[in-house]
Amino acid sequence: AQSVTQLGSHVSVSEGALVLLRCNYSSSVPPYLFWYVQYPNQGLQLLLKYTSAATLVKGINDFEAEFKKSETSFHLTKPSAHMSDAAEYFCAVSDRGSSNTGKLIFGQGTTLQVKP
Amino acid sequence: EAGVTQFPSHSVIEKGQTVTLRCDPISGHDNLYWYRRVMGKEIKFLLHFVKESKQDESGMPNNRFLAERTGGTYSTLKVQPAELEDSGVYFCASSQDSGGPRYGYTFGSGTRLTVV
Repeated sequence: AQSVTQLGSHVSVSEGALVLLRCNYSSSVPPYLFWYVQYPNQGLQLLLKYTSAATLVKGINDFEAEFKKSETSFHLTKPSAHMSDAAEYFCAVSDRGSSNTGKLIFGQGTTLQVKP
Repeated sequence: EAGVTQFPSHSVIEKGQTVTLRCDPISGHDNLYWYRRVMGKEIKFLLHFVKESKQDESGMPNNRFLAERTGGTYSTLKVQPAELEDSGVYFCASSQDSGGPRYGYTFGSGTRLTVV
């Protein structure tokens, strides 16, 4: 069965500092991997996705993530945090097998706080 | 293009009452998904429609939950009778392709359900 673990339910960084949100996954088949962000009172917005092309994936707002099969990780990074990045971030995995119906398995979420 | 619309945005009901949540997907999207996030837990898949048919309802918690998608357009999720543990945020998502998140399906803003 697939699963996702996000390390740290809360992460706090200073404005301008590196953002690192950790995600590890478990999957018996090569997965699709995603990062979503939820700003207050809004829906989930796709930041980026890995679907078997380049292992370093670039997303919106200068976020990027690297798929590391050997470490079963898909950590999210951003070189310099902005106040507007404060939100909750979700890592998710989807099965790419023949039975795939597009169902997502989510991690527990990480709330990012950005301090001035 | 209108996004995925969910309403109500908030609902507070008493234990034992009935509540119906509605989701209007993006026009032309055959695939519609329901997810739920119970307080402090991860977002969990409930079910998947392809047009008016239930493709996968493996995540439905019990028979107090009834989802419908008449005519393959909007969908409703009825909880009857509601219990305290049903409180949470209910998300809907839609996609054009059955591969769903490979192509980044679109989430609604969610309905926050509080059962008191």
